[in-house]
Amino acid sequence: GIQVEQSPPDLILQEGANSTLRCNFSDSVNNLQWFHQNPWGQLINLFYIPSGTKQNGRLSATTVATERYSLLYISSSQTTDSGVYFCAATSNDYKLSFGAGTTVTVRA
Amino acid sequence: NAGVTQTPKFQVLKTGQSMTLQCAQDMNHEYMSWYRQDPGMGLRLIHYSVGAGITDQGEVPNGYNVSRSTTEDFPLRLLSAAPSQTSVYFCASSRGDRRTVDTEAFFGQGTRLTVV
Repeated sequence: GIQVEQSPPDLILQEGANSTLRCNFSDSVNNLQWFHQNPWGQLINLFYIPSGTKQNGRLSATTVATERYSLLYISSSQTTDSGVYFCAATSNDYKLSFGAGTTVTVRA
Repeated sequence: NAGVTQTPKFQVLKTGQSMTLQCAQDMNHEYMSWYRQDPGMGLRLIHYSVGAGITDQGEVPNGYNVSRSTTEDFPLRLLSAAPSQTSVYFCASSRGDRRTVDTEAFFGQGTRLTVV
């Protein structure tokens, strides 16, 4: 299956700071998703973005399919943004491959 | 619209016991799957189904069985639980419609399983 790598593994932010999370994938994709796993363990869909750019409030994401990477931007971070952010992708089927995640800690 | 519903949320089993984790979706999605999440790791695919009556193995299928008799339900069975199966289990569904190229996956709330 497709290989997904995320960086950085850990990120500590001061409230109000901006940050960028990166996801590299090994093959062309027909599905690329970003999830936020909150402290209660729930997986929250952030973006379904196999290509292009999307924005949702303080979060935005860009996928450059030809260069096999996706970026998640967090602006004006808040403590509620803490958690683990996962990138997941699939190429020609529905079997999502997950990265190991980026653990984000936002300090007040 | 409940989305993907998993039961139970928590379960403790003794080694050798069997149990079934339930998963139901009300979005009429064709594709359903089961993942496990171990500490510090991403999710790994256990089994998946592309429609009623069709199932296949994922990355880590050993020790688990599945069946798909209806579009809505996709239960995961542990026949003889082992401590190595202590994990958090997630069920997911997606539209699975290549014509619309919309394959966004939605996840249930997870089942935290401990095998002692």
